[in-house]
Amino acid sequence: EPEVTQTPSHQVTQMGQEVILRCVPISNHLYFYWYRQILGQKVEFLVSFYNNEISEKSEIFDDQFSVERPDGSNFTLKIRSTKLEDSAMYFCASKRPVPGELFFGEGSRLTVL
Amino acid sequence: AQTVTQSQPEMSVQEAETVTLSCTYDTSESDYYLFWYKQPPSRQMILVIRQEAYKQQNATENRFSVNFQKAAKSFSLKISDSQLGDAAMYFCATSPGRSGGGADGLTFGKGTHLIIQP
Repeated sequence: EPEVTQTPSHQVTQMGQEVILRCVPISNHLYFYWYRQILGQKVEFLVSFYNNEISEKSEIFDDQFSVERPDGSNFTLKIRSTKLEDSAMYFCASKRPVPGELFFGEGSRLTVL
Repeated sequence: AQTVTQSQPEMSVQEAETVTLSCTYDTSESDYYLFWYKQPPSRQMILVIRQEAYKQQNATENRFSVNFQKAAKSFSLKISDSQLGDAAMYFCATSPGRSGGGADGLTFGKGTHLIIQP
């Protein structure tokens, strides 16, 4: 069964460094998402992406963050100048054209020291 | 805008018994979906069950069923014959149900940690 894959599974970085988290969505899906889950807290929406542009973004998704789909398969989340509070699990998800169910990846754990 | 409230941070149930997880929501959408996702310790969120708001019949998937009370904006999950593998975080979520597609994502509740006692 096709699934969303994410790399790396865990990344440790120093505060101020740039991080790129990668996702390969399910191939026939058209909508792509990034969510964040700080330890012990709820899953928070960051951004949605459709037709090679951002469709919607939350207040969390400020200028520090960017997304792109450089090659038609990978969907990346870039975090510039990481802060301690960026430490979290980052989940990628994708969705078919029919609205409803999102399929999630296993997540990338980011630890900022 | 949508909000989802799960008032039970943790629930515990004996194996083989039935447990109900609560969820209330608020949405400005006239058409929307409701979901329960399971997040086991392996971290990947898996869809358990989904309900289209326009359908009056409660969704059922094997041992999992929902009690959807649209007027009360309530969407509880019942797990029958609980099994050890059901232990996980359970998240209630909603999304707009625009026809023809839509990039709207999910709004999640804070989750309920379900413990299964052997």
